[in-house]
Amino acid sequence: GAVVSQHPSRVICKSGTSVKIECRSLDFQATTMFWYRQFPKQSLMLMATSNEGSKATYEQGVEKDKFLINHASLTLSTLTVTSAHPEDSSFYICSASANGQGYGYTFGSGTRLTVV
Amino acid sequence: GENVEQHPSTLSVQEGDSAVIKCTYSDSASNYFPWYKQELGKGPQLIIDIRSNVGEKKDQRIAVTLNKTAKHFSLHITETQPEDSAVYFCAANYGNNRLAFGKGNQVVVIP
Repeated sequence: GAVVSQHPSRVICKSGTSVKIECRSLDFQATTMFWYRQFPKQSLMLMATSNEGSKATYEQGVEKDKFLINHASLTLSTLTVTSAHPEDSSFYICSASANGQGYGYTFGSGTRLTVV
Repeated sequence: GENVEQHPSTLSVQEGDSAVIKCTYSDSASNYFPWYKQELGKGPQLIIDIRSNVGEKKDQRIAVTLNKTAKHFSLHITETQPEDSAVYFCAANYGNNRLAFGKGNQVVVIP
């Protein structure tokens, strides 16, 4: 089945630094990638949607200059958290869709970001 | 946008009994309804999904039912086992192929 590899699984960084999270579709071409954020014991909140070769579309309230998304190829999307602060500490999860038809989403294993 | 409500928030069942989780959605244009299982520290794993052209789908011990008129869908787990303990999320698709998630349901299977 479809596999999405997400790295790193855990990262600790200092306040003010930037962190990059990678999401790769291993056996299919991901026309669309989604990035989510999940706080402890809460649901997944969509941050942004990106289509290969296009600028990402951010959900209301998500700072696009803080959460930089790149989807330069059909198998790789990255999320960079810039100038991280402790309140950015969260579980970040990517999801990929091969067909762009509103079904068939495959999720990555998530990245636990802790900003100290 | 889409609003997905999920009930109950916590469900404890004896091993071997059935568990049912219900979700409602608001957008009548939604046509895809997946269910995900999430274990601690991991990403969501799709366990079953249903599209709006069918009313029920079953995969071994797991089934999903959909009532489009009432805008609700349910997850049914039969013969529950300890490894079924996890958080379960329902979701529904909406504009531009996005997914809206319910708040999640902590299922605890008591051995």
